[in-house]
Amino acid sequence: EADIYQTPRYLVIGTGKKITLECSQTMGHDKMYWYQQDPGMELHLIHYSYGVNSTEKGDLSSESTVSRIRTEHFPLTLESARPSHTSQYLCASSGPVLNTEAFFGQGTRLTVV
Amino acid sequence: AQKVTQAQTEISVVEKEDVTLDCVYETRDTTYYLFWYKQPPSGELVFLIRRNSFDEQNEISGRYSWNFQKSTSSFNFTITASQVVDSAVYFCALGISGTYKYIFGTGTRLKVLA
Repeated sequence: EADIYQTPRYLVIGTGKKITLECSQTMGHDKMYWYQQDPGMELHLIHYSYGVNSTEKGDLSSESTVSRIRTEHFPLTLESARPSHTSQYLCASSGPVLNTEAFFGQGTRLTVV
Repeated sequence: AQKVTQAQTEISVVEKEDVTLDCVYETRDTTYYLFWYKQPPSGELVFLIRRNSFDEQNEISGRYSWNFQKSTSSFNFTITASQVVDSAVYFCALGISGTYKYIFGTGTRLKVLA
């Protein structure tokens, strides 16, 4: 059973607000990922981390930022939310073995009004 | 180029029917990994299977089976005797050896009708 948690599950927020989406895992995984999922279902990698103090931008450009100060925690921040940021955000982690499967959180559905 | 194609956007079947979800991948690497995930309405992606490029043996797990064919670059997923609880979005993904990134297909939404 995967132990990766995202909060909040749902968030409705006004334009211009700063928000942080939380992601924590208790598996000691060094790799962590953020995916943005559009209504058409496609998953886009927006950020990933190979370990503490390591963060990289993914394949889809995003105005969000991430940090990795602790192994278990990989928060995503939007400094000024806009309606175009409305989406489902999924966090995932994977273990030290190359090409092992990733474990996903339940996601945060963000709506910016 | 690395790519995963799931040409079926949505499939509807009646309960107890068999259904096959197609996955075609592209990669020039000789070592790679393939995955299937299920995304139920609750939102999280649930890992189903991992297969490496050197193992073409098909796998069966209960009502689920997977057919990996390198000759056609396909990794198809069959659900036998489908049930309403199988209704979900299913993703095929490609993992490239030596990296920690995954390339996902666009997903297939399966609706199993009672």
